[in-house]
Amino acid sequence: KAGVTQTPRYLIKTRGQQVTLSCSPISGHRSVSWYQQTPGQGLQFLFEYFSETQRNKGNFPGRFSGRQFSNSRSEMNVSTLELGDSALYLCASSLALTGGAAGELFFGEGSRLTVL
Amino acid sequence: AQSVSQHNHHVILSEAASLELGCNYSYGGTVNLFWYVQYPGQHLQLLLKYFSGDPLVKGIKGFEAEFIKSKFSFNLRKPSVQWSDTAEYFCAVKEGGYQKVTFGIGTKLQVIP
Repeated sequence: KAGVTQTPRYLIKTRGQQVTLSCSPISGHRSVSWYQQTPGQGLQFLFEYFSETQRNKGNFPGRFSGRQFSNSRSEMNVSTLELGDSALYLCASSLALTGGAAGELFFGEGSRLTVL
Repeated sequence: AQSVSQHNHHVILSEAASLELGCNYSYGGTVNLFWYVQYPGQHLQLLLKYFSGDPLVKGIKGFEAEFIKSKFSFNLRKPSVQWSDTAEYFCAVKEGGYQKVTFGIGTKLQVIP
């Protein structure tokens, strides 16, 4: 069974540009979450999608947005990039909504964004 | 807002030493608790989880964690670490019916042969 796939793996942008990151969840997983990982902050929750609906959102500015398609694939977009947006962006998919497996996340390898 | 605190950000141990990593969370309701591990160059993966029942849970590679509800804690333990346990460890909490999972800042463990 294929894992969570994120593209691109690495990218370099300049301030003011925008970027779109893609995530393909594990087959059958309908929940997709996005996190920003930085050395000083750990994993910061961005948002979570289920069946094309954003159900939860973290404390990030409106420059950060996302969406989910009918096949559960998800994209996140960051507009007007700032130096502080340099980070590893992680996507995680999840199968169960309730019960013992609820909240168990399967992570991709991440997209490392560098903003110059 | 829910928060997760990990007490040690960087731990250095010799092989065969015992390990305990602290984790406390702030949410007072029903929670699912997790420890995730990120080995060098690899993606995050689940180490163990607590959902309900026995508060002492066992995970992969000899790790275990104890949920103490009265202390809002979920500490990770291993009796004897190996060099291959060198990694970053993250405590995480999912509250109630929400799908949002909140992570701690992480603890980097370095095991010296």
